[in-house]
Parts: sequence; C-alpha cells; structure tokens
Amino acid sequence: QSALTQPPSVSGSRGQSVTISCTGTSSDVGSSNHVSWYQQPPGTAPKLVIYEVSDRPSGVPDRFSGSKSGNTASLTISGLQAEDEADYYCSSYTSSSTYVFGTGTKVTVL
Amino acid sequence: EVQLVESGGGLAKPGGSLRLSCSASGFTFSTYTMHWVRQAPGKGLEWVSSINSDSRYTYYADSVKGRFALSRDNARGSLFLQMNSLRADDTAVYYCARDTSRRAGFYYYYYMDVWGKGTTVTVSS
Repeated sequence: QSALTQPPSVSGSRGQSVTISCTGTSSDVGSSNHVSWYQQPPGTAPKLVIYEVSDRPSGVPDRFSGSKSGNTASLTISGLQAEDEADYYCSSYTSSSTYVFGTGTKVTVL
Repeated sequence: EVQLVESGGGLAKPGGSLRLSCSASGFTFSTYTMHWVRQAPGKGLEWVSSINSDSRYTYYADSVKGRFALSRDNARGSLFLQMNSLRADDTAVYYCARDTSRRAGFYYYYYMDVWGKGTTVTVSS
C-alpha cells in the first residue's frame, strides 16, 4: 500500500494552466478508471473535484479536468484562479478493494 | 443537507484506546459504504479503513490492521472506529467519508463524495 507519487508543488500565474501528475502501479491507477482527485484548502476537509479519471461533480468548474495513461493519472487546472490555491490529492481504488492516496501537491497561484 | 459529523477524538497515551464516532444525516446511511481517512500533522491523506453497507466486508490499511476495528449501526446512522494499541504515529485528524456506492448496471463507481470536518486524535505520553 505505497502512496501514489505526486510532485510536491506546482505553481502558475492567474489564467495559466497547471498539471499535476499521479503515478501508481498496475495494481491501482493502472488497474481501472477508479481514480479521483480531491482539493484541500488549508485547515479544511478534502473536497472531490474529479472522479472516475475525468468526470466532474456538479458545481466543480470546468477548468478542472482529468486524464490517465497507463499507471499515471493527471489533473489539469486551466485558467488558474486565486481560489484554486490548495493541496490536491489523487486517489485510486485498488485491486485489493482498498484505497490509496497520493503524496499530495501544493498548488500556488503566483 | 447531507452531513457527516465526527466525534470522539482527544488525547490518548501510547498503548491506549479511543473510539471515534461519525454521525450521518441527510441521506440513507444504510445503503452506503463508509470510510475513515486520516491526516497526520503537515502530512498527506491516508486511507484507514472501510466498511460496506451491511457490515459484511471491512478493509484496513496495513498500518492499522489488528489494532483498529470498524463497525456501524445503520439504525442509528452511525459509524465507529475502535482504536486500540495506539501509537504516536496514529496522531492525526480523522475524517469520516462516504463512498459514492453508485453503480450503473454492472459498473461500480469508487470514490468518496462526502466528507466530515474531522476529529483530532493525539497520542502522547
């Protein structure tokens, strides 16, 4: 049950795009489309922003998008806004019927 | 309003025990798989345990297996995490989360769609 690998931080100016990678194995990310992404501003609970690799829950802006290739999933935030500054975590359902989270990425809006 | 409220956190000594509760409202609790996820100070999220809707299946992270026990009371809309043999590295905010438990035909969806605000557990002598 090793954590999925994410870059510690990414940054971009308002209006730019940033992409966060999430690398796992063939037992988690690579085994299905059950990859989700969570946004966590400081001091708050996580909030779902992407599920099943690329689907957005109601109310999440369409500047959030997701994709996957092999054992690596990605979250892209287009048109970066100040309110997007937060920690982001990927998560995957695994072949053992458990879940694993990524190491987390801090997004900074310059 | 769909809501999850955790309670039971506090200070425990190494080797001690705590029982966390999560009270659900605004949805039919008995039809959802539920999870506990924790976050150590300054660290990332860690999935801890999950239980399916009728308590038939429970799963645990290796880090808590044999020490933590997850249960639920569907009549009361409550989820419980019994934590024994606590260690310093169990110190964290513990979040209760709902699994979408959604399916479309034979396809099952897996993600956590509702989270509580968390309860803090500190293990220290």
